[in-house]
Amino acid sequence: QVQLVESGGGLVKAGGSLRLSCAASGFTFRDFYMSWIRQPPGKGPEWVSYIGRSGTDIHYAGSVKGRFTISRDDAKSSLYLQMNSLRADDTAVYYCARPADNNGGSHFDFWGQGILVTVSS
Amino acid sequence: QPVLIQPPSSSASPGDSARLTCTLPRNNNVGDYNIYWYQQRAGSPLRYLLYYYSDSDKGHGSGVPSRFSGSKDASANAGILLISGLQSEDEADYYCMIWPSNAVVFGGGTKLTVL
Repeated sequence: QVQLVESGGGLVKAGGSLRLSCAASGFTFRDFYMSWIRQPPGKGPEWVSYIGRSGTDIHYAGSVKGRFTISRDDAKSSLYLQMNSLRADDTAVYYCARPADNNGGSHFDFWGQGILVTVSS
Repeated sequence: QPVLIQPPSSSASPGDSARLTCTLPRNNNVGDYNIYWYQQRAGSPLRYLLYYYSDSDKGHGSGVPSRFSGSKDASANAGILLISGLQSEDEADYYCMIWPSNAVVFGGGTKLTVL
């Protein structure tokens, strides 16, 4: 069965960095777009970034552009999010998510359990 | 990126219907998009419900009851989630989503209370 497991979250001071990882299993990872989505405490979900197959077609939300970098290692079936210059409003649960359509552009049918990132000011 | 507007709250009684809206800005025609809907119960992750593009292009998530349905209101430039035969378990937050060419956009969500 499809599994997405995030790691690398935690408490960091404003201005600091963190690298999130997402280990995928149960499907052919290289065949799918992948995305990071976050949800601040008590608020709705916010899309962060997505990456296409083979690491092409990368896009970011305006709120993280220039600070976050998404990447993937298909040999390890892993997705990454390098987060630099973190701010208090980056505090959220971060989810790794897979769109149902391997071309992207569809709903997200599988989500990780989420990992909490807390940025102290 | 377009902004999807959802009323922050809605309420209805068990057995009634709830109509939740997701309004797109005027420069983004709702007719051009699949509108995806998710449900989030307290303390749980998002659950995909359905998508609606047109009456001939729509779909439900696995295990989602048929009393959840989607539509569009072109005059309001909005996507609609209709929940009929409300049950207490339908009390949750509901989010709409679209996937324009270079971004993914979620609405702010509607908290549905089943009185």
